[in-house]
Amino acid sequence: IAGITQAPTSQILAAGRRMTLRCTQDMRHNAMYWYRQDLGLGLRLIHYSNTAGTTGKGEVPDGYSVSRANTDDFPLTLASAVPSQTSVYFCASSPLAGAGDTQYFGPGTRLTVL
Amino acid sequence: GQNIDQPTEMTATEGAIVQINCTYQTSGFNGLFWYQQHAGEAPTFLSYNVLDGLEEKGRFSSFLSRSKGYSYLLLKELQMKDSASYLCAVKGGDYKLSFGAGTTVTVRA
Repeated sequence: IAGITQAPTSQILAAGRRMTLRCTQDMRHNAMYWYRQDLGLGLRLIHYSNTAGTTGKGEVPDGYSVSRANTDDFPLTLASAVPSQTSVYFCASSPLAGAGDTQYFGPGTRLTVL
Repeated sequence: GQNIDQPTEMTATEGAIVQINCTYQTSGFNGLFWYQQHAGEAPTFLSYNVLDGLEEKGRFSSFLSRSKGYSYLLLKELQMKDSASYLCAVKGGDYKLSFGAGTTVTVRA
């Protein structure tokens, strides 16, 4: 079934460690996004990419970096994890980044930083 | 910045109707989306409104009033499987989605 996959499903990480969350889509969507979801706060945009080779900062980019080397993959890296980065991370994609383009979400990665 | 408000929780009986309201204040407007999210799962797309009025899709309908900064999601003939969080999201002038905190709907038998 076509869609978005994320890995790992869950992870417990020691503070200070480096971690990369993986996201792959096979829908040939141009735009991809990373969100974090925290209780009571809703989904917040971390970084986005409107097309391969370009990236941009969202609402909460500090402590995170992304790359978009090709259409399908959009990894999110935490250079030095801190406990406040404990969250559920969702990757999403859309055909384009326009008004009516619906975003489709991956299954999420539950990350705990101790 | 964007400000999107929706109730935290709602409870309804199986077979009933529930209306989830969403008010927003955004910098620019390029449409409003509703997503459904079951516990522990990904959000899934329900509806998109960019013009004023009602969009009906089976048991679910979504309404938009741009002048009032207001939308609602109407769930009819509630079923137990409709117990979930419902997320209101607005696409602003920068074409980025801003989400409300979500409304948890509990359907009781």
